[in-house]
Amino acid sequence: GAVVSQHPSWVICKSGTSVKIECRSLDFQATTMFWYRQFPKQSLMLMATSNEGSKATYEQGVEKDKFLINHASLTLSTLTVTSAHPEDSSFYICSASSGGEETQYFGPGTRLLVL
Amino acid sequence: SQQGEEDPQALSIQEGENATMNCSYKTSINNLQWYRQNSGRGLVHLILIRSNEREKHSGRLRVTLDTSKKSSSLLITASRAADTASYFCATWGTSGTYKYIFGTGTRLKVLA
Repeated sequence: GAVVSQHPSWVICKSGTSVKIECRSLDFQATTMFWYRQFPKQSLMLMATSNEGSKATYEQGVEKDKFLINHASLTLSTLTVTSAHPEDSSFYICSASSGGEETQYFGPGTRLLVL
Repeated sequence: SQQGEEDPQALSIQEGENATMNCSYKTSINNLQWYRQNSGRGLVHLILIRSNEREKHSGRLRVTLDTSKKSSSLLITASRAADTASYFCATWGTSGTYKYIFGTGTRLKVLA
């Protein structure tokens, strides 16, 4: 099956710093990538949808300036958490799709801890 | 909230027993997918069922879909300790929102 990687797998940072998370589709071209966050024992909440070469579509309540998403190529999307605060600590998961309503393939997730 | 509901929220069974999880959703859908998530890991795709399908099988998994009731069920037969995980349904709507909406999930624990 299709493989999606995320890097880093975990990161600890000080409050106020910015953290970049990469999501790569390794063996297929991902026209669409999704970014989710997940709090412990909760479901995935969609943060934004990104299509290659265009601006991301953010879900209601997600700050565009805080969570910067770039989808510069068909195999790479990045999420940058700017000026991270302890409340941003969470599990961030990306998924990639070759288009539309087809199966999403998920990355292994990135655990962020902001001190 | 558009999020679907799953029940039960948690399920504990003995190895060898069957596990049934249910998912209800709110809007018309094109397809519904079930995913599995081991603790602290990413999601693994299990089955996709389209709106014009009523039942699908994959190994020990059986998924049903009732669009009139806006519900789906996932049955795992002859469960194993390795099936211990959280299971989520996700729906792709027909309203052109172009995104998956995830259910609240069921945490399954299979006791050896």
